[in-house]
Amino acid sequence: DAKTTQPPSMDCAEGRAANLPCNHSTISGNEYVYWYRQIHSQGPQYIIHGLKNNETNEMASLIITEDRKSSTLILPHATLRDTAVYYCIVRVFDNAGNMLTFGGGTRLMVKP
Amino acid sequence: DSGVTQTPKHLITATGQRVTLRCSPRSGDLSVYWYQQSLDQGLQFLIQYYNGEERAKGNILERFSAQQFPDLHSELNLSSLELGDSALYFCASSVQGLSYTFGSGTRLTVV
Repeated sequence: DAKTTQPPSMDCAEGRAANLPCNHSTISGNEYVYWYRQIHSQGPQYIIHGLKNNETNEMASLIITEDRKSSTLILPHATLRDTAVYYCIVRVFDNAGNMLTFGGGTRLMVKP
Repeated sequence: DSGVTQTPKHLITATGQRVTLRCSPRSGDLSVYWYQQSLDQGLQFLIQYYNGEERAKGNILERFSAQQFPDLHSELNLSSLELGDSALYFCASSVQGLSYTFGSGTRLTVV
């Protein structure tokens, strides 16, 4: 799986958009970008994933650059409950479902 | 409720003892994964089972073992416990590697 680089921490004002960057310059053509988050001591929660097109769901948007070497997770209107550690994971999709490897992630603090 | 059930939620035991953590995966998911998260540490992959068979091993100690039963639930056995084994233990399940669903974890405290 390709290595990812994320800032260790970020702050965001409540109600504003939170933009969390992730670099994955060694990503290969068949690797997907996944985002998970972990709210304090809870199990990680799936947010979104994508291959090369931008994706949006009820939780967030995922913007992947054209060269796929970086991506941004966007929480459009951050709330205090979005305070969590956000993990960007790059891996091949496979039917066997091999494990996810978590790095350090970005600790997002949403402030009032 | 994520659909992945872990029991017990909390466990306090003494050094040298053995405990069993249980995980019921989401309905239809064939893969079960176990992770360990020590205080302020990252999530460390321990072991994966797929439809009853061991699929992958991570940084799992020899004192630890796991299995997946025909009904697909899984158990993680931790023996000869040490203070350093105190951690959150998470189970996750997936179907075809699309999205992975995590349980709420078991907090193990070794005293």
